[in-house]
Amino acid sequence: AQTVTQSQPEMSVQEAETVTLSCTYDTSENNYYLFWYKQPPSRQMILVIRQEAYKQQNATENRFSVNFQKAAKSFSLKISDSQLGDTAMYFCAFGGGATNKLIFGTGTLLAVQP
Amino acid sequence: DVKVTQSSRYLVKRTGEKVFLECVQDMDHENMFWYRQDPGLGLRLIYFSYDVKMKEKGDIPEGYSVSREKKERFSLILESASTNQTSMYLCASSLAGQGSYGYTFGSGTRLTVV
Repeated sequence: AQTVTQSQPEMSVQEAETVTLSCTYDTSENNYYLFWYKQPPSRQMILVIRQEAYKQQNATENRFSVNFQKAAKSFSLKISDSQLGDTAMYFCAFGGGATNKLIFGTGTLLAVQP
Repeated sequence: DVKVTQSSRYLVKRTGEKVFLECVQDMDHENMFWYRQDPGLGLRLIYFSYDVKMKEKGDIPEGYSVSREKKERFSLILESASTNQTSMYLCASSLAGQGSYGYTFGSGTRLTVV
């Protein structure tokens, strides 16, 4: 069975600085997908970034980028030039195999300090 | 803009009541999901459905049931609400495709059982 681990329950970063959120996963699948979701306080969960495991190139979306290390089963999220609006809970998720379900980590609460 | 709509943002119910949480999506997605979100536990899957009238148990189905009579609507039912079901409930939908597309989430329903 697949598992997703986020070992940082809470993190803090100063505005305009860079922060990296960690995620590791375990799977025996070769083809799969990885996601980072953002849940701002009292607001809807939205997709931040998606990575296809068969692509070696790391996905980027504006200030958000990932460091995907397939052999190490690691999928970290880097947020550059942090903004106050980046304050949120961030969830890492795994999708693949014979199921349509996503497996989520326990989340990292990121606080961006002014 | 694509949407997943949950009928209530906040709900307070009494112990023993039958509770219905409604979720509607307008994206013609095959898959729909119900999760509960609790601090430190992340998102835990209650039930999901990959087609009309089809349902499968997730990781924590006890005390819950679901109904999917139409493709766009997926209802979560608490047969007899208990205080340990106080939680945030998230509905999500996705295209069929072995976890490759990720989810679109609703805004969540924060249920308090007193």
